Amino acid sequence: DQQVKQNSPSLSVQEGRISILNCDYTNSMFDYFLWYKKYPAEGPTFLISISSIKDKNEDGRFTVFLNKSAKHLSLHIVPSQPGDSAVYFCAAQKGGSEKLVFGKGMKLTVNP
Amino acid sequence: GAVVSQHPSWVICKSGTSVKIECRSLDFQATTMFWYRQFPKQSLMLMATSNEGSKATYEQGVEKDKFLINHASLTLSTLTVTSAHPEDSSFYICSASPGGLPYEQYFGPGTRLTVT
Repeated sequence: DQQVKQNSPSLSVQEGRISILNCDYTNSMFDYFLWYKKYPAEGPTFLISISSIKDKNEDGRFTVFLNKSAKHLSLHIVPSQPGDSAVYFCAAQKGGSEKLVFGKGMKLTVNP
Repeated sequence: GAVVSQHPSWVICKSGTSVKIECRSLDFQATTMFWYRQFPKQSLMLMATSNEGSKATYEQGVEKDKFLINHASLTLSTLTVTSAHPEDSSFYICSASPGGLPYEQYFGPGTRLTVT
């Protein structure tokens, strides 16, 4: 049973435009959400996170929005750059647990 | 900061042999380390959680006798794949957590295991 879902396997955008990556979750016990970026044959690198007490967190070009009632979060990248091309994983954590539950990932391609 | 290394980065072994993968936190002490496995175009699947000095906690469906995990110190955890089979071929990734909220994990670069 997939508790964290990234329903779109891929996204292609033009350089300079906005990239919006979506993530849905089913477990209402999750209270911390993270986005990781992964290049082929490398481990994931932490990008940005958000606590369930917030609905928005911004870090430079990256903004994560959380809609708890819809159990939905999204990552916005503005402006998108070719170096952003990678697989992006959404992950969630339950309160008090160190375990991360990952979505299947979404491949973002930013075209020059 | 928060660098995690893995060794080797890739390994080829024959069926029936064992292979050990090391995971080290280089600039922090990791109270907890995690081992993941990733199949092509799939999510990262948590295999086990290990705390220094205690037995690892395995996820459902993961054979503890096949995937031996040792967390000998606050900076080192090892995963040994015993009696490897071709179906064990995968990308294995470790992560380490320094502890404390919000329990962020820092990932190693991964190890590509190919069993022939």
